[in-house]
Amino acid sequence: EVQLVESGGGLVQPGGSLRLSCVVSGSTFSGDWMHWVRQAPGKGLVWVSRINRDESNTKYADSVKGRFTISKDNAKNTLYLQMNSLRAEDTAVYYCARDNSGSIDSWGQGTLVTVSS
Amino acid sequence: DIVMTQSPLSLPVTLGQPASISCRSSQSLVYSDGNTYLNWFQQRPGQSPRRLIYKVSNRDSGVPDRFSGSGSGTDFTLKISRVEAEDVGVYYCMQGTHWQYTFGQGTKLEIK
Repeated sequence: EVQLVESGGGLVQPGGSLRLSCVVSGSTFSGDWMHWVRQAPGKGLVWVSRINRDESNTKYADSVKGRFTISKDNAKNTLYLQMNSLRAEDTAVYYCARDNSGSIDSWGQGTLVTVSS
Repeated sequence: DIVMTQSPLSLPVTLGQPASISCRSSQSLVYSDGNTYLNWFQQRPGQSPRRLIYKVSNRDSGVPDRFSGSGSGTDFTLKISRVEAEDVGVYYCMQGTHWQYTFGQGTKLEIK
């Protein structure tokens, strides 16, 4: 069974930075494409970013482009999301998720990021 | 981006009765390989999303057979044949055919 465990969330001031991590087990992580999906309080799911298996291709939602960077360390089975220039509207639970051919088949438990002064 | 539109957004259902959720896409979800990458997720209160259905009608392992998916092109439906208390939560459709993946707004299922 695939397990994804996020960490790194917390309270940060507007304009600040945070790095989220997601440790993946039970999967051949080096072969996995991975996503970050976020959910603002009381709202729906919004895709944020995706990375392919060898980090050669990354994609971002327009709302985070230029501010967020996705990466993965296949040796550590870990996915990252570096978030810079954070805004109040970035406040959300951030989920890491595993891609499976046009789908997402596994989700982490999420980590809450709160951007507030 | 592909827009996914769900209806209804709120769905009160009596226990043991059927429920149906519609999901429409702004473009056809048929991919060049012939597959249609339409997925359904369930998010119970306080939990992470869980995939129920992939490629329109394929149920994930462990998903009760009272859940079924159907549809084609731009119109899709998730049906629950007999709603149980554990089905309370929000249901999302998501397309994986066109880049970027997009979700519907979510349908909140509650017990009457």
